[in-house]
Amino acid sequence: GENVEQHPSTLSVQEGDSAVIKCTYSDSASNYFPWYKQELGKGPQLIIDIRSNVGEKKDQRIAVTLNKTAKHFSLHITETQPEDSAVYFCAASTTAGNQFYFGTGTSLTVIP
Amino acid sequence: KAGVTQTPRYLIKTRGQQVTLSCSPISGHRSVSWYQQTPGQGLQFLFEYFSETQRNKGNFPGRFSGRQFSNSRSEMNVSTLELGDSALYLCASSLDVGLEQFFGPGTRLTVL
Repeated sequence: GENVEQHPSTLSVQEGDSAVIKCTYSDSASNYFPWYKQELGKGPQLIIDIRSNVGEKKDQRIAVTLNKTAKHFSLHITETQPEDSAVYFCAASTTAGNQFYFGTGTSLTVIP
Repeated sequence: KAGVTQTPRYLIKTRGQQVTLSCSPISGHRSVSWYQQTPGQGLQFLFEYFSETQRNKGNFPGRFSGRQFSNSRSEMNVSTLELGDSALYLCASSLDVGLEQFFGPGTRLTVL
């Protein structure tokens, strides 16, 4: 099955700086890669996603890049704010099966 | 549009008991997936239902079971509870396979 690895497990940045979280996957059939943000006591919230026919996608301060050849994708958060502090998960899936494989999460702390 | 709802939000049981958790998906969503989230194992896929049929199943023992009703609401059941079943159980819904999944707030199960 698919194996998704996520790094780093913890990340601290100063407010206003950028944060980058990286994930790799093993199954070349995976073609859908969502990113989730989970705040304490809440379920994961979808923040951005990318499909394999696209190399990059941006939504305001958040961007995701995908390198299918290398089987890795990354989340970029610019101009970080304290409210960005949360645990972020990457995931991989195929359109053929509705099973999502998740990374182990990155705890992001934005220091005011 | 209302999000995914899960009941109850918190549950305390003792070893050997059984428990039933409920999930109501977003209106119009026919796919419901269940995940177990623990600090050590992260998000692990339990099973996925679509139109009352289980389409995918993760690597969990038979004590974990689920079902989906004609209105797409889903329940999962865990029998003969063990201490290791203590976790946050998350439900996610989507329109169909390969599409965005939206998570509920989860049910925090504690087994004593």
